[in-house]
Amino acid sequence: DTAVSQTPKYLVTQMGNDKSIKCEQNLGHDTMYWYKQDSKKFLKIMFSYNNKELIINETVPNRFSPKSPDKAHLNLHINSLELGDSAVYFCASSQAVRDRGHEQYFGPGTRLTVT
Amino acid sequence: GENVEQHPSTLSVQEGDSAVIKCTYSDSASNYFPWYKQELGKGPQLIIDIRSNVGEKKDQRIAVTLNKTAKHFSLHITETQPEDSAVYFCAASRYSSASKIIFGSGTRLSIRP
Repeated sequence: DTAVSQTPKYLVTQMGNDKSIKCEQNLGHDTMYWYKQDSKKFLKIMFSYNNKELIINETVPNRFSPKSPDKAHLNLHINSLELGDSAVYFCASSQAVRDRGHEQYFGPGTRLTVT
Repeated sequence: GENVEQHPSTLSVQEGDSAVIKCTYSDSASNYFPWYKQELGKGPQLIIDIRSNVGEKKDQRIAVTLNKTAKHFSLHITETQPEDSAVYFCAASRYSSASKIIFGSGTRLSIRP
């Protein structure tokens, strides 16, 4: 039973194309995230949705647009792909517990290569 | 802005020895400090966490310590095994889901047989 799943696992595309990555979680969590991990392994948050509402929107080019059709899904659409978008993109989910912090569960990642 | 610094960036230890990874954070309102392990080709996975009302926490061979005054926290792995080889990330955040988790830059731990 996969907790957080992403598709596709690998994505190779040319500059200028538009692509989407899909994420689903079956943990019943109320918050979902997108992270970008570059070649040096830096993990940087891009977006966060809580109950389908955008709550974190980091300094990300507006070519990146997240969409959350329901609590269990958070998709990432990228327009006009650039070479610098090549990275591994991780989806994650969490459920905040009052005064206890929130463990994030990560998906397996989508390796995006822009040529 | 909020920042988490992590050292060292790479660490190689003999199997059976201990490994220590150290982090400092800048946001004094942070009260939740998770540690994640990322194996090759996989997503990060929580291995242990500590909250600000606790100074130390242990789970079998791993332990974390937190010094809120100095804004330091550390991960200790004892009796290292080959399967401990991975990239480890420290992180800091506040309790609310609306707060970001700020990750350190990662430590690549290699266990020499």
